[in-house]
Amino acid sequence: SAVISQKPSRDICQRGTSLTIQCQVDSQVTMMFWYRQQPGQSLTLIATANQGSEATYESGFVIDKFPISRPNLTFSTLTVSNMSPEDSSIYLCSVAGRGNTIYFGEGSWLTVV
Amino acid sequence: AQSVAQPEDQVNVAEGNPLTVKCTYSVSGNPYLFWYVQYPNRGLQFLLKYITGDNLVKGSYGFEAEFNKSQTSFHLKKPSALVSDSALYFCAVRDIADYKLSFGAGTTVTVRA
Repeated sequence: SAVISQKPSRDICQRGTSLTIQCQVDSQVTMMFWYRQQPGQSLTLIATANQGSEATYESGFVIDKFPISRPNLTFSTLTVSNMSPEDSSIYLCSVAGRGNTIYFGEGSWLTVV
Repeated sequence: AQSVAQPEDQVNVAEGNPLTVKCTYSVSGNPYLFWYVQYPNRGLQFLLKYITGDNLVKGSYGFEAEFNKSQTSFHLKKPSALVSDSALYFCAVRDIADYKLSFGAGTTVTVRA
């Protein structure tokens, strides 16, 4: 299995500010994904991030709000821009590992006040 | 389009009794099916998957799941539940041609001592 580390694990942010979440994987992976889990809800895919190409965003998510970087095969960042209380969520990084399994990090728990 | 239904928001069982968490899916092609568990204040942990082959798959912590193509179901089971199994369980599906996961709403399992 892949070991996925996310930073920060938790943060309380002021509305209007931006926060960048980092995701580090212990092995090289082609496909990385960012999911959002709003309070009491299931997971929703934000975007797919492949190294060497622009991230592909799902319906309802835009690059200006959630810019993503993927500089190499073990690292990605997700920025939540101009945050509002509605952005309070868990943001999870995931990777496609061996055997078609998708692994998740521990998540970054953001509260916007 | 692909989707997952978890018909039960909550499942309550006594410790030592069998545990079943239900999941049905819809996908246009052949499915890859997954179960994940989320303990309080934690990320998602992979439990098991069905890719191909034997319809009964075994996973972590004594869990197993049975793939039923005719009923489009992938129910999670454990013969003897433990209090420590109390958590939120997610069923997820993806098409073999796409790495994007679609999640069910989740089922909260409570195992009472």
